[in-house]
Amino acid sequence: AQTVTQSQPEMSVQEAETVTLSCTYDTSESDYYLFWYKQPPSRQMILVIRQEAYKQQNATENRFSVNFQKAAKSFSLKISDSQLGDAAMYFCAYRSPNRDDKIIFGKGTRLHILP
Amino acid sequence: EPEVTQTPSHQVTQMGQEVILRCVPISNHLYFYWYRQILGQKVEFLVSFYNNEISEKSEIFDDQFSVERPDGSNFTLKIRSTKLEDSAMYFCASSEARQQETQYFGPGTRLLVL
Repeated sequence: AQTVTQSQPEMSVQEAETVTLSCTYDTSESDYYLFWYKQPPSRQMILVIRQEAYKQQNATENRFSVNFQKAAKSFSLKISDSQLGDAAMYFCAYRSPNRDDKIIFGKGTRLHILP
Repeated sequence: EPEVTQTPSHQVTQMGQEVILRCVPISNHLYFYWYRQILGQKVEFLVSFYNNEISEKSEIFDDQFSVERPDGSNFTLKIRSTKLEDSAMYFCASSEARQQETQYFGPGTRLLVL
């Protein structure tokens, strides 16, 4: 069964600095999708970024980028120029395209932004 | 930008009561999902729904749970006889297609069972 591990329960970063959130996963599949979701205090789950495993190029969305290392099964999220609004719980997630409808989530990393 | 909506935002109920959580998925989406998040824990998949039937469900989704698409816009989760351990945040999600598609989540319903 696939698993997603986020080893950093909490992190803090100074406003305007860069922070990297770690995620590793375990799967025997060669094709899959990886996501980072953000959950602010309002509790809504917001998609931050998505990566298809067959793409070698790392996904980027404005200040958010990933470092996808398929062989190492690692999928870290980098947030550049951190802003106060980035404070949230961040969930790494996995989805198999071949079977299963479900998304498998990690336990999350709570990110604090220090003014 | 279209989004998934959920009502109510908060629900308090007595143990043993029935609750219905409502969701309006994005209009052109065909696949619908329910997840739950017990406080302090990870988000867990409950069930997926397509073409008016359940396509997948987890171990959590036992006989006390049911889902329905009563009309062309709503997607509901019913818990027949709530237990204390059903207290959680319930998220609805939808996607345009099944595979290769991102699931978009609603804001959640916080359910508290007393």
